[in-house]
Amino acid sequence: NAGVTQTPKFQVLKTGQSMTLQCAQDMNHEYMSWYRQDPGMGLRLIHYSVGAGITDQGEVPNGYNVSRSTTEDFPLRLLSAAPSQTSVYFCASSPPPGIPYNEQFFGPGTRLTVL
Amino acid sequence: ILNVEQSPQSLHVQEGDSTNFTCSFPSSNFYALHWYRWETAKSPEALFVMTLNGDEKKKGRISATLNTKEGYSYLYIKGSQPEDSATYLCALGGAGNNRKLIWGLGTSLAVNP
Repeated sequence: NAGVTQTPKFQVLKTGQSMTLQCAQDMNHEYMSWYRQDPGMGLRLIHYSVGAGITDQGEVPNGYNVSRSTTEDFPLRLLSAAPSQTSVYFCASSPPPGIPYNEQFFGPGTRLTVL
Repeated sequence: ILNVEQSPQSLHVQEGDSTNFTCSFPSSNFYALHWYRWETAKSPEALFVMTLNGDEKKKGRISATLNTKEGYSYLYIKGSQPEDSATYLCALGGAGNNRKLIWGLGTSLAVNP
């Protein structure tokens, strides 16, 4: 299993550009989520999904969209990049209900800089 | 609003020292407490998930205890090694289909050789 994969690893954008951060997992996990990590702020939840076709907002959803058309993929779209979105983005997945205590598995992260 | 607090914020120890740090959380409506280890330039990896008051988990030189009545968990590292240098995160987990984790800010551990 590849686990949770994210692409790209690094990205530089100009203000106003849009882009999609890709996340995929091959563990048949129903729950997937996107976090951003900023110095002194810890991990903050952007959006999450409990299964294909179902998404919901986390703590800091503004400026981001997600979709979940398949169990495997959970892309994060930046609609119009702003310097405040400079951050490291992590995708994570977790097994389905029935294994209630299992941990989240994290991807390697995408480091995004918005100029 | 649920708040997970970790202390200390950072810690420097010498190789061979034993150390411990704390995660505090609201004791009401507790479901699960997670510990993760996060090395620089890598992604967080799960260490333990604990659910029962009095739980104690161990993995090699690292162990954790849980007190749900008073709302805290301790993480212990015995005989610290330079490879233990990382940020240790704790997170409060929800029940059933609520898999959102509420994260602390972490304790950054540096072990000097």
